[in-house]
Parts: sequence; C-alpha cells; structure tokens
Amino acid sequence: DAKTTQPNSMESNEEEPVHLPCNHSTISGTDYIHWYRQLPSQGPEYVIHGLTSNVNNRMASLAIAEDRKSSTLILHRATLRDAAVYYCILRSGTSYGKLTFGQGTILTVHP
Amino acid sequence: NAGVTQTPKFQVLKTGQSMTLQCAQDMNHNSMYWYRQDPGMGLRLIYYSASEGTTDKGEVPNGYNVSRLNKREFSLRLESAAPSQTSVYFCASSETRGSVNTEAFFGQGTRLTVV
Repeated sequence: DAKTTQPNSMESNEEEPVHLPCNHSTISGTDYIHWYRQLPSQGPEYVIHGLTSNVNNRMASLAIAEDRKSSTLILHRATLRDAAVYYCILRSGTSYGKLTFGQGTILTVHP
Repeated sequence: NAGVTQTPKFQVLKTGQSMTLQCAQDMNHNSMYWYRQDPGMGLRLIYYSASEGTTDKGEVPNGYNVSRLNKREFSLRLESAAPSQTSVYFCASSETRGSVNTEAFFGQGTRLTVV
C-alpha cells in the first residue's frame, strides 16, 4: 500500500480555519484519498474522501493537488469538538476496503 | 441505527485464557474488519472478511482466529491470551463492490487487558 506522511501534531484556535496536510508521493491512479478522525476514547469516524477533484461535505473540505501527490483537509471553523487524531489514508479499489492507518496528526484546538 | 456494535466493551483476562470478541453490523455491508490499536499508535488490521464466507489475514494475525458467522456478524477469538494482546480492538464494516469505495463504520471498541 502506498504510504502517507502527516505532521505529528498541529494546533489551532477555536473558530479559526485549520489546514491539515498530507503527502502521498507514491499514490497510484486507483487510490482514493480518505480522511478519518478519532475522537478521544472512540472508534475512528469517516470525514471525507476524494479521487482527483476537490470535495466538500458538511464536516470538511478536501483539496487535492493537481499531481495528486499531496492533499489538505480543511476544517473551516474549528470547534473544541474537532480536537482529535486525523488520519490520511490511501484506499485502493482492489483492497477490499482495507484501511492502513499511520500515526495521524493530533489536532489540538484552543478555546 | 445501531451501526457497528461490539461486545464486550471492557475485558480483563489472565494469561492463557481464551475469549471471543463479538461484532455485529446492521447496515447490510458485505465487508467487515478487525483492528487493534496500541497506545499512541494507529490502528493495525488483524483480519478481514471481504464477503460472507471468506476471511483473510491482515497485518498482525498471529494469535487470533476469526469467524464470519453470517453477513451481520464477525467474531474475533483469542485462543490463549498473552500480555502482548493487551490493546483496544475495533470492528468495522463497509460496502465494497469492485472499485467502489464507501466509508467504513467503526464500533466503539473493546478494551482488553491481559494480566
């Protein structure tokens, strides 16, 4: 599976935008870019995913570089509830949906 | 909707004891997964079942067995628990058909301690 690289930690203030970067230089053409987050003492939850085009949903936006070697998860207005570990994961169409988790980025949100 | 339900939520075992972790999903998903998460680390795949009647090893299968009892249920068995299996175990499910990539849903986890 292609690997992703994320910063270990990031900090933000409440109600400010947050940009969480992810590098995936060895991404293949069939890899989807998925983001999950894990709140304290909970299972991971899906945030967003995309293939080539930028994506928006009620939780976040996903900006994908033109060469697909990097992407950025954007939280438009961080809240205290957004404090979590964010995982950027490449998911192949031939992988039976398996997810390979890295260390993720610990996001701290300050009041 | 219950989503993915895991039982038990907490368990303490003595070394050498056996137990089965239960997982059930009510979303009619064809694929199910078992992961473990050690402190400060990401999740690692133990076993998965791409569809009813099939199971395959993941990254860390040693010491575990699984059973896909039916489309809803996927159990994880520790035959002889070891302290190294102390971890939080997560079950997940997703719909996967061909190259369709739908989101995975995770249970709340089972916190297992082996003493």
